[in-house]
Amino acid sequence: GAVVSQHPSRVICKSGTSVKIECRSLDFQATTMFWYRQFPKQSLMLMATSNEGSKATYEQGVEKDKFLINHASLTLSTLTVTSAHPEDSSFYICSARQTGTGGNTEAFFGQGTRLTVV
Amino acid sequence: AQSVTQLDSQVPVFEEAPVELRCNYSSSVSVYLFWYVQYPNQGLQLLLKYLSGSTLVESINGFEAEFNKSQTSFHLRKPSVHISDTAEYFCAVSESGGSYIPTFGRGTSLIVHP
Repeated sequence: GAVVSQHPSRVICKSGTSVKIECRSLDFQATTMFWYRQFPKQSLMLMATSNEGSKATYEQGVEKDKFLINHASLTLSTLTVTSAHPEDSSFYICSARQTGTGGNTEAFFGQGTRLTVV
Repeated sequence: AQSVTQLDSQVPVFEEAPVELRCNYSSSVSVYLFWYVQYPNQGLQLLLKYLSGSTLVESINGFEAEFNKSQTSFHLRKPSVHISDTAEYFCAVSESGGSYIPTFGRGTSLIVHP
């Protein structure tokens, strides 16, 4: 299957700083990428849908000024957690949907980023 | 809109025993159904999916799931589990022919004991 690479896999930052997480589709183009947040022992919560060349679509309750999403190319989307606080500590996962394939039914997931804000 | 219910948050089982992880969904339109597996501190890996055709789908590592439209279920089964199957399993649903944004269940933790 297609590969989605997420970087970094783990990051620790100080409260008040910003952290950027990258999501790359390595062997396919992805018009649409998704960003999820996962709390311990819970399911994935969709934060936003990232569209190449346009603004991201945020889910209700997600602060777009805090979680900045940029999808500048067909293979890269970034999530920047601005002015991070301890409550932003979580596991963030991206997924990408392959562009142009018939049916386009499957999304491929990155390995996730464990963010710890101290 | 659709929703997914995984009734069991945790399923303990002994090695080589059979297991069933339950998944029920609700949707007003036709759906695609998925099972994903997540190992600790990793992303999700697709285990198997139902799009159309045969209601019984299988994975390469012995898991199978059956789509039951009348019961709106997509339970995951394995006749004999291994220690290495210990992981979190997520059922997901998306609208067929739609924009494809999967909705996930809360997950079931499969714990295989020796």
